[in-house]
Order: sequence, then C-alpha cells, then structure tokens
Amino acid sequence: GQQVMQIPQYQHVQEGEDFTTYCNSSTTLSNIQWYKQRPGGHPVFLIQLVKSGEVKKQKRLTFQFGEAKKNSSLHITATQTTDVGTYFCAGDSTSGTYKYIFGTGTRLKVLA
Amino acid sequence: DGGITQSPKYLFRKEGQNVTLSCEQNLNHDAMYWYRQDPGQGLRLIYYSQIVNDFQKGDIAEGYSVSREKKESFPLTVTSAQKNPTAFYLCASSLPFGRVNQPQHFGDGTRLSIL
Repeated sequence: GQQVMQIPQYQHVQEGEDFTTYCNSSTTLSNIQWYKQRPGGHPVFLIQLVKSGEVKKQKRLTFQFGEAKKNSSLHITATQTTDVGTYFCAGDSTSGTYKYIFGTGTRLKVLA
Repeated sequence: DGGITQSPKYLFRKEGQNVTLSCEQNLNHDAMYWYRQDPGQGLRLIYYSQIVNDFQKGDIAEGYSVSREKKESFPLTVTSAQKNPTAFYLCASSLPFGRVNQPQHFGDGTRLSIL
C-alpha cells in the first residue's frame, strides 16, 4: 500500500539554526499538506501544495513540492523556541481514494 | 466560533467493555475522519466519511465501528475486539474531496487508556 515516510525522525537544533524535514511518498501524489502538532496538542494545518515544483513561503517557513510529485520538504530558517513540535506531511493519493496518508512525522526540539 | 469538539478528553476502558468517543463539528464540513496516534508516532486512519450515511474503512479499522447519521456528528466506538486500544484518538473534518483546498481541522483529541 501507499506509504509516506519522513526524515529525520527527530532533530535537535540550537535556537537560530536552520531545520529541514523531508517527506517521501511511495506513489505519486495529487497534492500534499503540512501540519504542525505542538506537544500535547492536535495537528494544525500549515499549508497545501498542489503543483509540481511548487514553492511556498510563510515567514521563516519554506515548503517545496517535488517535480515528480513524490516528495516534499519543509525548511525553517533561524528556528525559534516557538517552532518546537512535530511536523507531519500528508499526501493525497492520485488513486482517488479520498483520504490522506500521514507521514511518520519529524519531532523538532529547539534549544535556547 | 466554528470548530470540532471531541469528548471526553480522557477515557478509561475496562476489559471487555465497548466505549464511544464523541466528535461534533459545526464547520458544515461533509468529510470527517478518525485517526489513532500512538506515542511518538504518526496518525493512522481508522475510518472516514465523505457524506452522511456513508463511511469507509481506513488502514486500521479492525476493532472499531462508526456511524454517520448526521452531518455534524461522527462517533467512534472502540469495541472489546480492539485488544490494544490505549492511544490518542483524533477526529478531523474537511470540505469534500474534489475542491482545490481541503485542510483538515482537528479536535483536541481523546486519550483512551485501559484500566
């Protein structure tokens, strides 16, 4: 079945350092979403990418969708302690199953 | 304010007991989902529903059941057949597939434990 993997599983960074998480799907995606889950909280939608090669920015966050629409990345510039949490990608298969498959998540810790 | 309400926040289940987790939304969303999250892991889809009176099994439906009698409600029953129910359960809703953007809105979750 379709699988969505993320690397790394954990990342500890010093405040001010950059951070990147990568999302890889076993199948082609029609679009991909990114979510952030704070410790003890629920996932919150960040952004959706639809087009091949698409790049979107939200302040210090940069999201990219691969040309083949099988991978995506989230890059955070100059991390802050408020960036702490787990970042998930979620892919919508092109097979028309009307559901998203969530990635395994990357847990980010920011050391002040 | 519109949103998703899950109750209870914490739930304890005895051996052989069925328990029902509530999920209500006032976002007027057609699609609703139930996910299970184990410590340090991602979200796994249990059941989903794109429209009232219709629902589909997700990847880990065994030991669970749902109903979708009303658009705003999607309760999940954890049956005694689910031998390892301890987890964080998240309910979500979204606009139906076929539209350009369908972000999923999540409730605050229910933490289920075995007594």
